Amino acid sequence: DAKTTQPNSMESNEEEPVHLPCNHSTISGTDYIHWYRQLPSQGPEYVIHGLTSNVNNRMASLAIAEDRKSSTLILHRATLRDAAVYYCILRDVAGGGSNYKLTFGKGTLLTVNP
Amino acid sequence: ETGVTQTPRHLVMGMTNKKSLKCEQHLGHNAMYWYKQSAKKPLELMFVYNFKEQTENNSVPSRFSPECPNSSHLFLHLHTLQPEDSALYLCASSQVSFGGGAYNEQFFGPGTRLTVL
Repeated sequence: DAKTTQPNSMESNEEEPVHLPCNHSTISGTDYIHWYRQLPSQGPEYVIHGLTSNVNNRMASLAIAEDRKSSTLILHRATLRDAAVYYCILRDVAGGGSNYKLTFGKGTLLTVNP
Repeated sequence: ETGVTQTPRHLVMGMTNKKSLKCEQHLGHNAMYWYKQSAKKPLELMFVYNFKEQTENNSVPSRFSPECPNSSHLFLHLHTLQPEDSALYLCASSQVSFGGGAYNEQFFGPGTRLTVL
């Protein structure tokens, strides 16, 4: 799996937008970009994923650079409940078999201040 | 509540003990996974089961023995563990679509916090 690079930690204030960056300069044409997050004392949970176009869902938005070498997870209004480790993961969907694997990195620890 | 349950939530065992971790998914998925999360390390994929068949073993020591009796249940049998095996063990499930195509997210359980003395 292609590698991703994220800042170790970021800090935000409650009710302000948060932009979590991810670099993936070696991304291939068949790699999807996924984001998961892990709240304290819980297992990871899916946030969002995309291939080329920007994506929105009820949790967040995903902005993907035109060259796909970087992406940004956007939380529009951070809440205390959004404090978690956020993981940016590339998943190759070419062919079958191993397209279900997720390789987690260290992620970004997001702290939300009241 | 993710639809994936794990028991026990906490386990303390000696190096000579034998214990088992249990995972159950109520989502009708066809794939289940075991991950290990050690302190200050990324999650590591241990085993993958598709349709009850083991399809991935990431060089896991034989003191960890997985079992998948049906597509809803997954066990991790533990024996003669070492203190460095202390970690959070996470189970996940997903619906696998072979040949690429639609993505189906993985749903994780809350994990079992294992301490080996």
